[in-house]
Amino acid sequence: IAGITQAPTSQILAAGRRMTLRCTQDMRHNAMYWYRQDLGLGLRLIHYSNTAGTTGKGEVPDGYSVSRANTDDFPLTLASAVPSQTSVYFCATRSDSGANVLTFGAGSRLTVL
Amino acid sequence: EDKVVQSPLSLVVHEGDTVTLNCSYEVTNFRSLLWYKQEKKAPTFLFMLTSSGIEKKSGRLSSILDKKELFSILNITATQTGDSAVYLCARATDSWGKLQFGAGTQVVVTP
Repeated sequence: IAGITQAPTSQILAAGRRMTLRCTQDMRHNAMYWYRQDLGLGLRLIHYSNTAGTTGKGEVPDGYSVSRANTDDFPLTLASAVPSQTSVYFCATRSDSGANVLTFGAGSRLTVL
Repeated sequence: EDKVVQSPLSLVVHEGDTVTLNCSYEVTNFRSLLWYKQEKKAPTFLFMLTSSGIEKKSGRLSSILDKKELFSILNITATQTGDSAVYLCARATDSWGKLQFGAGTQVVVTP
């Protein structure tokens, strides 16, 4: 089934550890996004990429980095995890049609202890 | 100041009831307003609204945008238990798909 694959589905991590959340899409969409979702705060944009080779900062980028080496993959890295990064992380893509409609992956639940 | 505000935060209704969800937004750089439904995992797209006063409809769900008063409503008629979800409203501020979401409204439909 075409779409977005996120991994891992769930992870418990010790504070201070490095963690990479993976996101792979097979729709060949140029634009990709990482959001985090926290209770009462909705989804907040962390980083985005309009096309392979480019990235940009969203609303809450601190403590996170991304890379976009090719069209299909958009990993999100936490260099040194902190408890406030406990959240559900969603990767999304946008169709190249121009409409601002995002398609979301199933999410990765991360707990930092 | 919140750029997208949804109300109510949660509500419980009985099957068959009609539900109206509200979303108000900040006008700065506004491009479009989107509604998503989130059950257990990924948010799924419902509607995108760009023009004022034009109702979008899909089955028992409908939505409309008021660009003068800066709000949108999502209506669900004849609710079913499968409508239980968190409904998210988001505004787009550019043509690159960066969305700002509200906190969501949790809807619980009881049998």
